[in-house]
Amino acid sequence: GENVEQHPSTLSVQEGDSAVIKCTYSDSASNYFPWYKQELGKRPQLIIDIRSNVGEKKDQRIAVTLNKTAKHFSLHITETQPEDSAVYFCGGTGGSYIPTFGRGTSLIVHP
Amino acid sequence: DAGITQSPRHKVTETGTPVTLRCHQTENHRYMYWYRQDPGHGLRLIHYSYGVKDTDKGEVSDGYSVSRSKTEDFLLTLESATSSQTSVYFCAISEWFFGPGTRLTVL
Repeated sequence: GENVEQHPSTLSVQEGDSAVIKCTYSDSASNYFPWYKQELGKRPQLIIDIRSNVGEKKDQRIAVTLNKTAKHFSLHITETQPEDSAVYFCGGTGGSYIPTFGRGTSLIVHP
Repeated sequence: DAGITQSPRHKVTETGTPVTLRCHQTENHRYMYWYRQDPGHGLRLIHYSYGVKDTDKGEVSDGYSVSRSKTEDFLLTLESATSSQTSVYFCAISEWFFGPGTRLTVL
């Protein structure tokens, strides 16, 4: 099955800085890559996703880039705000319908 | 949120007792999944279903069973609960929307 590795496990930034979280995957058949934000005590919420036929996707302050050759994809958050503080997860499918997730990145944005 | 609910939301039980968690969806999705979430381990797949009465194991299936008798309901049963099964359990459906979670404590 798919194996998804996520780095870093913790990321601390100052408000207004950019944050980048990277995930690598093992199965070249993976074609869908979602990112989730999970606030304390709540469910993971899908914030952005990308499919394998696209290299980059943006939605306001967040963007995801995909490098299929290197098998990695990254979440970019610009102009970070304290409310961006949360745990972020990436996912992959390995060409199946079975989602596999990274272990999460705890993002802390200091005011 | 994507028409997916879980019950109960919180449960405290004792070691050795059976426990059943319910996931209910109103989206008519074919695929449904049960995950557990623990610090340091992220989300780990317990079981999944790809249709009524069609289920398969995930990476941490020992001690758990599932059933899906109709499209909208996916049940997770801990046959004899152990303290290692204390966790937060999330159900998810196709396109990977998550339910609100069930916090289970096994004493």
